[in-house]
Amino acid sequence: GQQVMQIPQYQHVQEGEDFTTYCNSSTTLSNIQWYKQRPGGHPVFLIQLVKSGEVKKQKRLTFQFGEAKKNSSLHITATQTTDVGTYFCVLGVGNFNKFYFGSGTKLNVKP
Amino acid sequence: GAVVSQHPSRVICKSGTSVKIECRSLDFQATTMFWYRQFPKQSLMLMATSNEGSKATYEQGVEKDKFLINHASLTLSTLTVTSAHPEDSSFYICSASGGRDQPQHFGDGTRLSIL
Repeated sequence: GQQVMQIPQYQHVQEGEDFTTYCNSSTTLSNIQWYKQRPGGHPVFLIQLVKSGEVKKQKRLTFQFGEAKKNSSLHITATQTTDVGTYFCVLGVGNFNKFYFGSGTKLNVKP
Repeated sequence: GAVVSQHPSRVICKSGTSVKIECRSLDFQATTMFWYRQFPKQSLMLMATSNEGSKATYEQGVEKDKFLINHASLTLSTLTVTSAHPEDSSFYICSASGGRDQPQHFGDGTRLSIL
């Protein structure tokens, strides 16, 4: 299957600090999606990146797709306790017909 | 919008039983549905991809005779775990997509426990 590395595995931050998670693929991707899963919940779609070098922002979240379409990052500015959860990158392979989850980064925010 | 209903949410049954899990898209037509398995504190592992009206595509290592997938309509896909054994105990979660370029919308998952 698809090799997906996501780092770090865990991140504990103080509320107000920034947070970044990175996702790396062994192959060139068609697209990448990011999801958030709260404890006990199901993954919820955040964003999809398709173009090489694409950068998208959602309030305090910034998503970036690498120029070679092999890596991506999610950056959260000034974390809040509501940001707690596990963030997954999901790699799209082929013609949008297969998706592989990264290992996830579990974020804990201390108030 | 984009609600996916999955049930049952929890199943406890004896070894050898077959268990059917349903995944329904309530307010959109799902051309593609995905079935995942998630072990505790781990990521989601794609089991199979199904398109309406055609046979599911299984990932390497997933037995198609063990995990029967049916996607008979644009709003319903089912996963049947046949002759379940304790090692099949896990959290199974489905997602549905409205088509190319569309995000996946997830059900709430089914926790399967085989005694």
